[in-house]
Amino acid sequence: EDQVTQSPEALRLQEGESSSLNCSYTVSGLRGLFWYRQDPGKGPEFLFTLYSAGEEKEKERLKATLTKKESFLHITAPKPEDSATYLCAVRTGGSYIPTFGRGTSLIVHP
Amino acid sequence: SQTIHQWPATLVQPVGSPLSLECTVEGTSNPNLYWYRQAAGRGLQLLFYSVGIGQISSEVPQNLSASRPQDRQFILSSKKLLLSDSGFYLCAWKVGTELRGEQFFGPGTRLTVL
Repeated sequence: EDQVTQSPEALRLQEGESSSLNCSYTVSGLRGLFWYRQDPGKGPEFLFTLYSAGEEKEKERLKATLTKKESFLHITAPKPEDSATYLCAVRTGGSYIPTFGRGTSLIVHP
Repeated sequence: SQTIHQWPATLVQPVGSPLSLECTVEGTSNPNLYWYRQAAGRGLQLLFYSVGIGQISSEVPQNLSASRPQDRQFILSSKKLLLSDSGFYLCAWKVGTELRGEQFFGPGTRLTVL
């Protein structure tokens, strides 16, 4: 059974304090790993798709990386507006259905 | 560009009442469509997905049903709501012509069953 585990469950940072969120997966035949940001009461907002080990994507203060077993979402010099829940999902084989992790709740204090 | 709409945004319903949530997508054709439920403190639970008009796959047995009467319209229904149906309902779409690619989510509907 495909599994996606995100850690930590919750993370509190001071503004400017860089850190990383982890998404580890045990799947066969990875066909894409996806990162989303979700604000309270809103739908998840798409951030990145990674397809192969070694791939990296960047957007403003966020950088996503992928290995054969896990992905990291690096947050550089975060600001309070980066506070949100970050979700990771993977799709495998010939499935249209991704498996989601439970998310990491990030709070950035000013 | 593509946009996805859900309505209503919030809904409060008594136990035993019917339900109809609607999702529409603009700017794309033949999308894959998905209904998810997100309960507090839990992850996204896939309820239904559809790869075409009239084609619905159910992921969990429950008192909910889904229909796709038009290419870009996806409806979630129930004949009699239960307290456990409360949650945040999300519709999502994905380009339907290939297995690769990401899902895009709508704004969600907050359902409270009393």
